[in-house]
Amino acid sequence: DAGITQSPRHKVTETGTPVTLRCHQTENHRYMYWYRQDPGHGLRLIHYSYGVKDTDKGEVSDGYSVSRSKTEDFLLTLESATSSQTSVYFCAISGGREGLERNEQFFGPGTRLTVL
Amino acid sequence: SQQGEEDPQALSIQEGENATMNCSYKTSINNLQWYRQNSGRGLVHLILIRSNEREKHSGRLRVTLDTSKKSSSLLITASRAADTASYFCATSGTASKLTFGTGTRLQVTL
Repeated sequence: DAGITQSPRHKVTETGTPVTLRCHQTENHRYMYWYRQDPGHGLRLIHYSYGVKDTDKGEVSDGYSVSRSKTEDFLLTLESATSSQTSVYFCAISGGREGLERNEQFFGPGTRLTVL
Repeated sequence: SQQGEEDPQALSIQEGENATMNCSYKTSINNLQWYRQNSGRGLVHLILIRSNEREKHSGRLRVTLDTSKKSSSLLITASRAADTASYFCATSGTASKLTFGTGTRLQVTL
């Protein structure tokens, strides 16, 4: 158990509203990631962070922003939610333990987001 | 676009049989990893194989890597009902990011 939690676990919202998802870790891992998972697409990287205040875009970053003000928290914000952002969102962490490959990742339980 | 493509997309076997799933990728890699995802849960890391390794074992798992063919296979021996899950390969280049394939859904029946 890598000590990673996501909140909320489920959310239903309306088109055009802002939504923020939170990922929290207790393991002091350096790297944190946000993915979305959709049928037929596997996991696609949205944004990732390689340290406090250091973030970069992933494969599907349009319409999303992130912030990391402290090591343990990584926030994903949908600035104006659209129906195409209905998905399951996973947070992952890596790089915090001796003996592990830097990019061996540990995943949170996921957040199921529905945009109506 | 996805780096890894798993084959088959779905696999149904009986308990006790072996399950083999394959992954092909497109560009040079630093390592390749396999993950399992039970329904409704997050992914769990199973095994990592580096680009200079050809085979690796962990319990009932055996992973092979052929960098000349840009392919990997995951073998689960003596499958159990609890192995029912989706399995994903993920490739890593020089950065800390992973690129995941679309997965193989494995169903193990009693």
